[in-house]
Amino acid sequence: GAVVSQHPSRVICKSGTSVKIECRSLDFQATTMFWYRQFPKKSLMLMATSNEGSKATYEQGVEKDKFLINHASLTLSTLTVTSAHPEDSSFYICSATRVRSGYGYTFGSGTRLTVV
Amino acid sequence: AQTVTQSQPEMSVQEAETVTLSCTYDTSESDYYLFWYKQPPSRQMILVIRQEAYKQQNATENRFSVNFQKAAKSFSLKISDSQLGDAAMYFCAYRGGNQFYFGTGTSLTVIP
Repeated sequence: GAVVSQHPSRVICKSGTSVKIECRSLDFQATTMFWYRQFPKKSLMLMATSNEGSKATYEQGVEKDKFLINHASLTLSTLTVTSAHPEDSSFYICSATRVRSGYGYTFGSGTRLTVV
Repeated sequence: AQTVTQSQPEMSVQEAETVTLSCTYDTSESDYYLFWYKQPPSRQMILVIRQEAYKQQNATENRFSVNFQKAAKSFSLKISDSQLGDAAMYFCAYRGGNQFYFGTGTSLTVIP
């Protein structure tokens, strides 16, 4: 089955620093990956759609200069939270899907970011 | 615009009993897919069941089954013989083309 690996699972960083989160599709090629943010006991909020070889598409209200997304290959997308602040503390989840639209999304295990 | 609505923020069920989680959606598309995802305390999103809109037959996966009413745009999840491990957040999701929408989730508690 499709497997998506997300790393790191937890990270604590100081305010003002940057943090990179990786999302890899291990056994399939994903031309599109998605990045979500989830607040406690809330649904997933789509932040951006990451397209291999092109610029990411950001949802309204998401700062593209703060949340940098790079989709360098068909199996890797990265989310970099730049100049992190405590309000950026959250649970971030990536997902990927195969080309055929009938497949559901496979999710990474998520990253708990804490900015102190 | 496509939306997914889960009207039950919380549900509880006695172990071994059956529970149904509700989901409605809105779309103008004729070809789409519906999913139920489970998110246990580990926060890992797990696909429970999927349904193709063009199929009239309701999807079934072991103890999980759906009641798909296309005309009513309803997609409920039935969990039979509930187990303690079923306790989790459940999200209904819609996929049309490359658009994917989640409902707000239902927190399911299983009472021993």
